[in-house]
Amino acid sequence: DAKTTQPNSMESNEEEPVHLPCNHSTISGTDYIHWYRQLPSQGPEYVIHGLTSNVNNRMASLAIAEDRKSSTLILHRATLRDAAVYYCILRASIMNYGGSQGNLIFGKGTKLSVKP
Amino acid sequence: KAGVTQTPRYLIKTRGQQVTLSCSPISGHRSVSWYQQTPGQGLQFLFEYFSETQRNKGNFPGRFSGRQFSNSRSEMNVSTLELGDSALYLCASSVDLPGNQETQYFGPGTRLLVL
Repeated sequence: DAKTTQPNSMESNEEEPVHLPCNHSTISGTDYIHWYRQLPSQGPEYVIHGLTSNVNNRMASLAIAEDRKSSTLILHRATLRDAAVYYCILRASIMNYGGSQGNLIFGKGTKLSVKP
Repeated sequence: KAGVTQTPRYLIKTRGQQVTLSCSPISGHRSVSWYQQTPGQGLQFLFEYFSETQRNKGNFPGRFSGRQFSNSRSEMNVSTLELGDSALYLCASSVDLPGNQETQYFGPGTRLLVL
């Protein structure tokens, strides 16, 4: 499985944008880029995913480099509730019914601290 | 819809005992995966069940086993507990449609302490 590299930790001020980088230089053409986060004392939760184009949802934006070797998760206005560990994960595309989507392979992630 | 539920939330066992953890997926979800989270190893995949069959398995010893019932509920069992099995055990469910990048929805986890 292709691997991802993320900084161990980042700090942000409340209400400022946060850019969380992820490198995935060995990504294959069919790998999707997923982001999950884990708030303290909770299970991970889905944030966003994409293949080639930039993606936006109510939680965040995902900017994917043209060569797909890196991506950036963007939180437009960080809140204290956004303090969490953010995981960048690659997932292969499975087309056959009954075939496993494949488990999520979690790295160490980036621990985001948000200062008031 | 109710989220993924796991029972019990906390558990204390002693070495050599066995333990069974339960997971109820979101209604309509057919795939259930289990993960172990420890401070040293992070989040590691244990196994995945779909239609009552184990479809994928991580690199854990045979002491770790699981099953899935016809209603998609799942249980995992750890026999002959070791101190190193102390961890947060997370269950995740997904709808599982072919070709889609299915979101996995995680439960709050069961925190197991082995003494």
